[in-house]
Amino acid sequence: KAGVTQTPRYLIKTRGQQVTLSCSPISGHRSVSWYQQTPGQGLQFLFEYFSETQRNKGNFPGRFSGRQFSNSRSEMNVSTLELGDSALYLCASSRDSRGETQYFGPGTRLLVL
Amino acid sequence: AQTVTQSQPEMSVQEAETVTLSCTYDTSENNYYLFWYKQPPSRQMILVIRQEAYKQQNATENRFSVNFQKAAKSFSLKISDSQLGDTAMYFCAFMSYRDDKIIFGKGTRLHILP
Repeated sequence: KAGVTQTPRYLIKTRGQQVTLSCSPISGHRSVSWYQQTPGQGLQFLFEYFSETQRNKGNFPGRFSGRQFSNSRSEMNVSTLELGDSALYLCASSRDSRGETQYFGPGTRLLVL
Repeated sequence: AQTVTQSQPEMSVQEAETVTLSCTYDTSENNYYLFWYKQPPSRQMILVIRQEAYKQQNATENRFSVNFQKAAKSFSLKISDSQLGDTAMYFCAFMSYRDDKIIFGKGTRLHILP
């Protein structure tokens, strides 16, 4: 069974631009969560989507948004990029029950100049 | 709010030795899950081991085992017969029974020396 895939793997943007990251979960998984990883703050939860609905949200500004499609693929969007948004963005998927183990993708490395 | 603390930022051990990584957490909840994830230099996060809080028996996965002390809110990871491939960042993580939001510790960078 294929793992979680994320595209693109690397991205360079400039301040003020917007970016969209994509995540394809493991087949049969309906929950997709997003995390931001930085050297200073570590791993922080962004949001979780289940059956096309945002089920949980972390403490990030409204510039960070996401959505999930009927095939469980998810996208994350960051508008008006800031230098501090430079990070590794990880996506994780799990099956449809709470408490299920989350399986992570390789991440998208975003650099904001 | 839940917190996860890993007090060892970095550790080094010789190959074949046993090493224990420490983790403590804080929560007022009774039902939750604890995890150890491994992130090798290639960056792919991999699940090492999982523990349900309601289970008293410590989880084991081959060379990896945990010491779960619920009253003390402690969840340490023991790696036996360590191998070079165990070199990675290890994250202790907490997940409430109520939602799927994982709270991660800051991580312990583990170096296995030949």
